[in-house]
Amino acid sequence: AQTVTQSQPEMSVQEAETVTLSCTYDTSENNYYLFWYKQPPSRQMILVIRQEAYKQQNATENRFSVNFQKAAKSFSLKISDSQLGDTAMYFCAFLGGNEKLTFGTGTRLTIIP
Amino acid sequence: GAGVSQSPSNKVTEKGKDVELRCDPISGHTALYWYRQRLGQGLEFLIYFQGNSAPDKSGLPSDRFSAERTGESVSTLTIQRTQQEDSAVYLCASRYTTGNSPLHFGNGTRLTVT
Repeated sequence: AQTVTQSQPEMSVQEAETVTLSCTYDTSENNYYLFWYKQPPSRQMILVIRQEAYKQQNATENRFSVNFQKAAKSFSLKISDSQLGDTAMYFCAFLGGNEKLTFGTGTRLTIIP
Repeated sequence: GAGVSQSPSNKVTEKGKDVELRCDPISGHTALYWYRQRLGQGLEFLIYFQGNSAPDKSGLPSDRFSAERTGESVSTLTIQRTQQEDSAVYLCASRYTTGNSPLHFGNGTRLTVT
């Protein structure tokens, strides 16, 4: 079974700074997908960014980018120029051949004004 | 367009009662998922429907939990004889089952068992 580990339960950073959230996973599969979701206090799960394992190039979405290291099974999220609206829980997730999305335990990110 | 819709948004029930939670997926999404999220915790997989295939029920915590879905339409999650430990947010999600198509989540149902 796949497991996803987020080792940082909480993080905080000053507004406009850059922050990196870590995620590691364990799988024997070669083809899979990785996602970062954001959950603000409204509890709505919002897709932040996605990465296909077969792509070497790291995904980027505006201020959000990932550092995908397939051999190390690492998938970190970098948020640049952080904004107050980035305050939320962030979940890393793995989607493999069984079509079940497996989530990490989350990182609570607080952006300090 | 319309997103995933869940109802009710909040439900308070007495221990021992049965509850039924509803999920309307995005039209055309063949896959539907139910997750449970306890307070301050991550998402725990419950069940997965894919078209007319047999559902993957491997995450259901006990036989008090069941779910149904007819075709690619509405799904209901039923919890019988509710217990206090069932208190959580129940999230539904749907997706196309192609490549990197992400899950689209509803706003969840917050269940409180008193």
